[in-house]
Amino acid sequence: EVQLVESGGGLVKPGGSLRLSCAASGFTFSDHSMTWVRQAPGKGLEWVSSISSGAYHIYYADSMKGRFTISRDNARNSLYLQMNSLSAEDTAVYYCARGWGNSGSYYFDYWGLGALVTVSS
Amino acid sequence: DIQMTQSPSSLSASVGDRVTITCRASQGISNNLAWYQQRPGKVPKLLIYAASTLQSGVPSRFSGSGSGTDFTLTISSLQPDDVGSYYCQKYDSAPITFGGGTKVEIK
Repeated sequence: EVQLVESGGGLVKPGGSLRLSCAASGFTFSDHSMTWVRQAPGKGLEWVSSISSGAYHIYYADSMKGRFTISRDNARNSLYLQMNSLSAEDTAVYYCARGWGNSGSYYFDYWGLGALVTVSS
Repeated sequence: DIQMTQSPSSLSASVGDRVTITCRASQGISNNLAWYQQRPGKVPKLLIYAASTLQSGVPSRFSGSGSGTDFTLTISSLQPDDVGSYYCQKYDSAPITFGGGTKVEIK
């Protein structure tokens, strides 16, 4: 059974940093691209960042470029999102999702339960 | 960047009704479109990819069509279990973009 479990969410002050992790199981992690998608309270889905199966190709939404860094460790079946310079607008549930496709053209067949990130003083 | 516009933003229909949600891309994306369902308080679920291919396990009352810039998601007979929000997503190339969502309620 495919499982994606996010961790690392929490309350952080504006300007602070946080690192999210996503532990994957039930499939060959190194065969799939992975993506972070976020959802602000009461709002729609927003793509954050994607990384190809071998980490050779990385993509970011414009509003995250320079502040967020996606990475993966295929030996540990884990996906990461380092978030810096956080602001209230980054408050959201962050989902990790398994991707199908290639070269940034991904859709997502499995999603984790999400990690809540709250940015507030 | 290509924008994805969904309509309507919300709808209310009776059990058994045929429901149609549309998604329009600001530029052509071929058939690189997916649809997701998000029930209240739940995680998004993939319904359709490649504009019209039903994901395994998804009820056959869901169908998708379209290509280029105009796409539709149809629920042939609305069921109580279908309450929630529906999102289209284009994946022709980065940046990936979701539509704003359509909230479906039972009348």
